[in-house]
Amino acid sequence: DGGITQSPKYLFRKEGQNVTLSCEQNLNHDAMYWYRQDPGQGLRLIYYSQIVNDFQKGDIAEGYSVSREKKESFPLTVTSAQKNPTAFYLCASSIEAGTSGRGELFFGEGSRLTVL
Amino acid sequence: AQKVTQAQTEISVVEKEDVTLDCVYETRDTTYYLFWYKQPPSGELVFLIRRNSFDEQNEISGRYSWNFQKSTSSFNFTITASQVVDSAVYFCALSVTDNDMRFGAGTRLTVKP
Repeated sequence: DGGITQSPKYLFRKEGQNVTLSCEQNLNHDAMYWYRQDPGQGLRLIYYSQIVNDFQKGDIAEGYSVSREKKESFPLTVTSAQKNPTAFYLCASSIEAGTSGRGELFFGEGSRLTVL
Repeated sequence: AQKVTQAQTEISVVEKEDVTLDCVYETRDTTYYLFWYKQPPSGELVFLIRRNSFDEQNEISGRYSWNFQKSTSSFNFTITASQVVDSAVYFCALSVTDNDMRFGAGTRLTVKP
């Protein structure tokens, strides 16, 4: 079945360590996104990529990094510079808007990161 | 700037009751898209509906219905005859540009048997 796979589902990290969250999609979507969700808050955009080898910062990119070497993959690295990394991270993809208007997002099941 | 407000943080109903989730949005653009997503306990957000700013027709899909009113900048979501499986967090979202989808804080709906 087509969809988005995120791993790991749960991750624990010690302060000062970098950690990479995986996101893979087989929907053949051009655009991919990373969102952060905190309790009682909506989703906030970290990074997005519209095409391979290109990505843009979202609202809260500080302390995070991404790469887009393949269309299917958009890993997110949470670096030690991120001051409050404990959160739920969601990866999403979408068809480019084109002339049909803004497409909906397809989401993975998320990765819950806890900093000890 | 775009903004979405979901004033109801949590709602609890008993099965078979009808429930309406409110969504109020702000934008100065005349072309925009509104969305509703459902987030069950498993975590992934599931797309429910998309509406563009030029289409104010209300929509019904089974027990779900949506009321879009530009005059009040609202896009409310009603579940008729709620079921336990409807328990989830529901998000309203607004998109003006391709890569700028703004989410509300979400409404947690609990349907009790």
